[in-house]
Amino acid sequence: AQRVTQPEKLLSVFKGAPVELKCNYSYSGSPELFWYVQYSRQRLQLLLRHISRESIKGFTADLNKGETSFHLKKPFAQEEDSAMYYCALNTGNQFYFGTGTSLTVIP
Amino acid sequence: GAGVSQSPRYKVAKRGQDVALRCDPISGHVSLFWYQQALGQGPEFLTYFQNEAQLDKSGLPSDRFFAERPEGSVSTLKIQRTQQEDSAVYLCASSLGGPLDQETQYFGPGTRLLVL
Repeated sequence: AQRVTQPEKLLSVFKGAPVELKCNYSYSGSPELFWYVQYSRQRLQLLLRHISRESIKGFTADLNKGETSFHLKKPFAQEEDSAMYYCALNTGNQFYFGTGTSLTVIP
Repeated sequence: GAGVSQSPRYKVAKRGQDVALRCDPISGHVSLFWYQQALGQGPEFLTYFQNEAQLDKSGLPSDRFFAERPEGSVSTLKIQRTQQEDSAVYLCASSLGGPLDQETQYFGPGTRLLVL
C-alpha cells in the first residue's frame, strides 16, 4: 500500500505567487514526516521535518493528523525554488518516499 | 568534511552480470540506508544498517540483492545475475544516529545502473 502520496507530478507557478506542494500519508502509528529537495544536478537533501516546526528557505509544512497531510507551502515562490520535492515518512526502520513533485517557478 | 560518496557513478551491465555498488558514508555515522530509485519514481527503501548490523532488509526485491557493511563503515550492495528491471539509480544515505533519533539522512550522489 502506498504510504506517501504526492498527487502532483508537475507544478508550475509564477515568481512571487504562493506555492503549495501536497503530501498525504497513510500510517497508523505516530508519523514522522520530512520534505526532501533535489535541485538540478545536486543530490537529495533534507529541506525540513515536521518535528522541528522550522521554516527553511521560506518553506513551512504543518502536520495535519486529521487529514493525514503534510503539505509544503511558501507564500512567495522564487526562481531558485525550482526543483524536485519529495515527501517522506519514517516508520522506524524504514523511510517511505512519495513519487515527487517537480516544481517550476516561471520568471 | 566529505559527504557521502558512491562508486561507480555509472554502471552499464549486460543482463546476467553481477555488479557491486559501493557506499562510503560520512565518518562516524551509525546508520546507513540503501534505496532504489526507478525513473520517475521516488526512492524506495531497500535495506538499513546500524553499524555492521543489518537491521532491516525487507525492501530488497529478491535474493539476487545482497548488502553488507562488515566493519560498520563502507557498505556494498551486490546484485547478482542482473535483470533489465534492476536498471535504476541506487542511492545510499547515512545518518549520525538511528531512524528513531530522527537524525537527518545525508544522501550520496547515487549510482546509475543500466542493464542491457
